[in-house]
Amino acid sequence: AQSVTQLGSHVSVSEGALVLLRCNYSSSVPPYLFWYVQYPNQGLQLLLKYTTGATLVKGINGFEAEFKKSETSFHLTKPSAHMSDAAEYFCAVSDQGGSYIPTFGRGTSLIVHP
Amino acid sequence: DAGVIQSPRHEVTEMGQEVTLRCKPISGHDYLFWYRQTMMRGLELLIYFNNNVPIDDSGMPEDRFSAKMPNASFSTLKIQPSEPRDSAVYFCASSLQRGTDTQYFGPGTRLTVL
Repeated sequence: AQSVTQLGSHVSVSEGALVLLRCNYSSSVPPYLFWYVQYPNQGLQLLLKYTTGATLVKGINGFEAEFKKSETSFHLTKPSAHMSDAAEYFCAVSDQGGSYIPTFGRGTSLIVHP
Repeated sequence: DAGVIQSPRHEVTEMGQEVTLRCKPISGHDYLFWYRQTMMRGLELLIYFNNNVPIDDSGMPEDRFSAKMPNASFSTLKIQPSEPRDSAVYFCASSLQRGTDTQYFGPGTRLTVL
């Protein structure tokens, strides 16, 4: 069985500061990993995903994430936060050995202060 | 493509009434998912279809909930009778395949049961 833990339901940063959103997963087989973003009153949309190959994945809006197998982590980062980054961020894992249907974390709300 | 379309966007109803939520997936997508999002429980997968066939409905909370997909371009989620604890945002999502593929979410239906 797969599971996802997002550490911190809320993360607050100043505009221009580093953004770090944490995601740890458990999976008995190599996983597929995703980050989605949800802006207010909208559905989720894909930021980036890791399937195979390079462990550092670049996504939209300047975000990137690194798959670290030894740490079972897939943390999301952005060097400099912008006010428009304020949103809810969801990490998801899809288990290659199971149903392949993604399991979503509880989400982390990113707050950006001017 | 217009993306995943959901209707209505907002629904307010009284306890005991029947509620029907509608979804049109992206053309050509083989998988359709229904999710429920609440503050207490986060994002929950209710049911998913592959090629119009329900594959896993283990997330459907009670027999009051039912979902159908009569053809590749239309799905419904019905709650009968509705209860106040059903109040949530319901999302429909579709994807080409399972596993590595991105899920494309609709804008959601905000349901309020009084």
